[in-house]
Amino acid sequence: SQTIHQWPATLVQPVGSPLSLECTVEGTSNPNLYWYRQAAGRGLQLLFYSVGIGQISSEVPQNLSASRPQDRQFILSSKKLLLSDSGFYLCAWSVFGGYRSEQYFGPGTRLTVT
Amino acid sequence: QQPVQSPQAVILREGEDAVINCSSSKALYSVHWYRQKHGEAPVFLMILLKGGEQKGHEKISASFNEKKQQSSLYLTASQLSYSGTYFCGTGDSGNTPLVFGKGTRLSVIA
Repeated sequence: SQTIHQWPATLVQPVGSPLSLECTVEGTSNPNLYWYRQAAGRGLQLLFYSVGIGQISSEVPQNLSASRPQDRQFILSSKKLLLSDSGFYLCAWSVFGGYRSEQYFGPGTRLTVT
Repeated sequence: QQPVQSPQAVILREGEDAVINCSSSKALYSVHWYRQKHGEAPVFLMILLKGGEQKGHEKISASFNEKKQQSSLYLTASQLSYSGTYFCGTGDSGNTPLVFGKGTRLSVIA
């Protein structure tokens, strides 16, 4: 069966510090991968998605970036965090892209920027 | 474009039924439904594909009206465990990622 991992689970970082969140998927090959951010009590904002190694599409221009160095690894980074970067970061995967298959979410990372 | 969900919030007593609606201004190829409990990640409930195919939950049903670009999620005989925020995600043609609605907060009380 497939499993998706995210770490860390929680993170408190000062403004201006760097960020690296990691997501890995087990039990599947060539998944479509997604990074979402959810502000407190709000909906799901798609940040990045990837259909393959090294292929990243950005949905929201901001101070975040994403990379996919391996087939089942997806990393979210920032060089300098802003207060507005606080939120619940969710990684998800799907078998196919687009409308055809469901997405499965990881447990999430709760980031607080102070 | 983001689909519109209604209602924004609803409170039910155990055993009551609820309907959550999701509508889009774009032609849809699929509608996905997810439930998120407080502090947790969203969990997949159901997918409805253009043409009638659907896959999902045993105790929750949904409909997809392609012509009206709408979907409804039906929660019958609600249980306390149904509480959470329900999101619909809509998909159009190709590999464009799903677009999620703002969510409907459902609270089931004893």
